[in-house]
Amino acid sequence: DQQVKQNSPSLSVQEGRISILNCDYTNSMFDYFLWYKKYPAEGPTFLISISSIKDKNEDGRFTVFLNKSAKHLSLHIVPSQPGDSAVYFCAASRGYGQNFVFGPGTRLSVLP
Amino acid sequence: DGGITQSPKYLFRKEGQNVTLSCEQNLNHDAMYWYRQDPGQGLRLIYYSQIVNDFQKGDIAEGYSVSREKKESFPLTVTSAQKNPTAFYLCASSMARASETQYFGPGTRLLVL
Repeated sequence: DQQVKQNSPSLSVQEGRISILNCDYTNSMFDYFLWYKKYPAEGPTFLISISSIKDKNEDGRFTVFLNKSAKHLSLHIVPSQPGDSAVYFCAASRGYGQNFVFGPGTRLSVLP
Repeated sequence: DGGITQSPKYLFRKEGQNVTLSCEQNLNHDAMYWYRQDPGQGLRLIYYSQIVNDFQKGDIAEGYSVSREKKESFPLTVTSAQKNPTAFYLCASSMARASETQYFGPGTRLLVL
């Protein structure tokens, strides 16, 4: 049973528009979340994080929103660029020192 | 130039054979991890190590073994007991187990002949 779900396997967005990637989780004990970005034939790279004491975290073009009551988080990329085309993984953990559980990923394609 | 290296990039295994995947880091990180990625699935934790000479099973440790004799190195052996070894294997490290940022290597794709 997947504890972290990314229900959209793929997403296509026009360059300059907003990309919204979604992640749902089932375990209410999760309180720390990460987003990773992965290019083909490379390992994932850390993008942005959020803890459950916040509902929003922003870093440049990337913003992560957390809705604890809905057990849902989303990553917004504005404006989207062709270099953002990659697979994005959501990951969650139950807190300090706990392992992360990864979602299956969403492949984002940003079209020029 | 600091980072994590994995070798080989592609590895072929024959039936009944053990194979070892290499993972080396020069980031001076204490914690290291092995993940497996299958199509349509997220990364699943195989083993992790918080310190030299210590390691713990992850969610899918059966059919795998590891060692951590040096801080820089965390090799993974896929044994003949692992009946479905074909996957993409990723090694990662972090400053400590609680660190939010895990740095990943480029991965090794294992295929069965």
